[in-house]
Amino acid sequence: NAGVTQTPKFQVLKTGQSMTLQCAQDMNHEYMSWYRQDPGMGLRLIHYSVGAGITDQGEVPNGYNVSRSTTEDFPLRLLSAAPSQTSVYFCASSYPQGFPGELFFGEGSRLTVL
Amino acid sequence: DAKTTQPNSMESNEEEPVHLPCNHSTISGTDYIHWYRQLPSQGPEYVIHGLTSNVNNRMASLAIAEDRKSSTLILHRATLRDAAVYYCILSPGSGSARQLTFGSGTQLTVLP
Repeated sequence: NAGVTQTPKFQVLKTGQSMTLQCAQDMNHEYMSWYRQDPGMGLRLIHYSVGAGITDQGEVPNGYNVSRSTTEDFPLRLLSAAPSQTSVYFCASSYPQGFPGELFFGEGSRLTVL
Repeated sequence: DAKTTQPNSMESNEEEPVHLPCNHSTISGTDYIHWYRQLPSQGPEYVIHGLTSNVNNRMASLAIAEDRKSSTLILHRATLRDAAVYYCILSPGSGSARQLTFGSGTQLTVLP
């Protein structure tokens, strides 16, 4: 089973460049979210979506955009990358009903902004 | 939101039980207790969750204090593969509960 797939796994950007981190899940999960993890710290929620066409901000949304046009995909866009956005990014999804249950995470995307 | 407190690190010997504590003194009556773990260079993975009663699954057991102000994740026989950061998380029992807040967790080291 593919589960939650994130691409790319590694990316180096220069300050001011833009890019999109891709996240796709094949489990028909309505809920999807993006977290960032900085060294020695826990995960912080950036944005989340409870279904196609619906997104909302998490704890640290500044500098990031999201959209949800399909159930399967939830891309995270960095509009103008800054060194403070150097981090590991994780996408997660969960079942549409029956929460609280299990969040499924991708393997992460490591981003370095120079 | 209710907060959790966990030790920064713990050590265990291989094949021995491990008890990972979590304090959540401000937990509300409808908050669920979740445990996730994160192996090196991987995303977090679900371990177990519960509300009031103790819970068991193939990975671990969750023991919840009667007053719900603390809980303990029990790994019955630690293996080297169990070395990870373990997160204890609370969430309200509503549709918005998917927004889990991860603290810094407990780094578990398993000694051979």
